Amino acid sequence: GAGVSQSPSNKVTEKGKDVELRCDPISGHTALYWYRQRLGQGLEFLIYFQGNSAPDKSGLPSDRFSAERTGESVSTLTIQRTQQEDSAVYLCASSTSSWNEQFFGPGTRLTVL
Amino acid sequence: AQKVTQAQTEISVVEKEDVTLDCVYETRDTTYYLFWYKQPPSGELVFLIRRNSFDEQNEISGRYSWNFQKSTSSFNFTITASQVVDSAVYFCALSGGEYNFNKFYFGSGTKLNVKP
Repeated sequence: GAGVSQSPSNKVTEKGKDVELRCDPISGHTALYWYRQRLGQGLEFLIYFQGNSAPDKSGLPSDRFSAERTGESVSTLTIQRTQQEDSAVYLCASSTSSWNEQFFGPGTRLTVL
Repeated sequence: AQKVTQAQTEISVVEKEDVTLDCVYETRDTTYYLFWYKQPPSGELVFLIRRNSFDEQNEISGRYSWNFQKSTSSFNFTITASQVVDSAVYFCALSGGEYNFNKFYFGSGTKLNVKP
């Protein structure tokens, strides 16, 4: 079956613009995570969705970051008024539950000029 | 606090050598899970193994083996007879337990270079 997909694969934007990143999880996966990976760094947890429960937003670095998920389907991560330090690869992962293995998408490489 | 430390930033070996990647973790949870993921040059992370905190048995899968020791809070990963295709960044991760069950904490990764 299809894996986790993310779009766009690459996004170049100017400082101050808003961007929206999309994640399509594996069908039936109730858990969905967003991570940020800066060049040469590990993965930084951003937000977690589990079914219809309130998301865990504790990893979002500022109020410029927000994410939504409709039920157990698509999720969008929005970054408002982008800054150069937002440049990174944004990874999405889905799982059948919070303690099981996560399946990762290919990521969206965001470059803020 | 939850934390995963991978002290080895980069390791280079020659093909057929054995190599061990270290992972040390910190947690206040009594129930937790540990993971290893591989990120090849193509970029997509691939799950390798999950181990729960109550299972300290070592595991072997082909050329891969994992040594989990709660006494030293370590979950080390050994590749036997390394191959060029093993070249990748390897991440160790910790899932929270009863206090932080939603979160995953990743180490900074160890880049493994296997030369022919």
